[in-house]
Amino acid sequence: GAVVSQHPSWVICKSGTSVKIECRSLDFQATTMFWYRQFPKQSLMLMATSNEGSKATYEQGVEKDKFLINHASLTLSTLTVTSAHPEDSSFYICSARDWAGRNEQFFGPGTRLTVL
Amino acid sequence: KQEVTQIPAALSVPEGENLVLNCSFTDSAIYNLQWFRQDPGKGLTSLLLIQSSQREQTSGRLNASLDKSSGRSTLYIAASQPGDSATYLCAAVYGGATNKLIFGTGTLLAVQP
Repeated sequence: GAVVSQHPSWVICKSGTSVKIECRSLDFQATTMFWYRQFPKQSLMLMATSNEGSKATYEQGVEKDKFLINHASLTLSTLTVTSAHPEDSSFYICSARDWAGRNEQFFGPGTRLTVL
Repeated sequence: KQEVTQIPAALSVPEGENLVLNCSFTDSAIYNLQWFRQDPGKGLTSLLLIQSSQREQTSGRLNASLDKSSGRSTLYIAASQPGDSATYLCAAVYGGATNKLIFGTGTLLAVQP
């Protein structure tokens, strides 16, 4: 099946620093990738839709200058949390859409971000 | 507003019992509906995907049904096992072009040995 990886799987950083998270589709090309965040005991909330070669589309309430998304190739999207603060601590999950077959999204294993 | 709700929020059953998880969605114009499993601290594992034109999908001990007219989907787990313990999420997919997933609130399942 389609495999999506994320790196790193967990990261701890100091307040004010920036953190980059990578999302890769390993065995298929993904023109569209999605970024979600999940707080403890809550469901996934879509942050933004990342389209290869164009600007990302952000959901209402998500600051585009704080959560920078780059989708430079058909297999890689990155999310950079700029000037991270403790309230940004969360579980970030990406997914990649495979247009072939059933137009299904495949999810990465997630990245646990802790901001001290 | 497109919303997805899951009932119950938590469920504890003895091993071997059959069980049903419920998912409701407010906008019936879905593209498809997916059921996922999430283990603590982990990502999502796709269990079943039901296209809008389908009424059910089966995989092993799992069976998912879809009733668009009533805005409901159910996930049936037969002969539950302790290894089935996890959070189960349903997600409604809207809009073929944008393909946005709207996730439900999840059901935390505990299967007691």
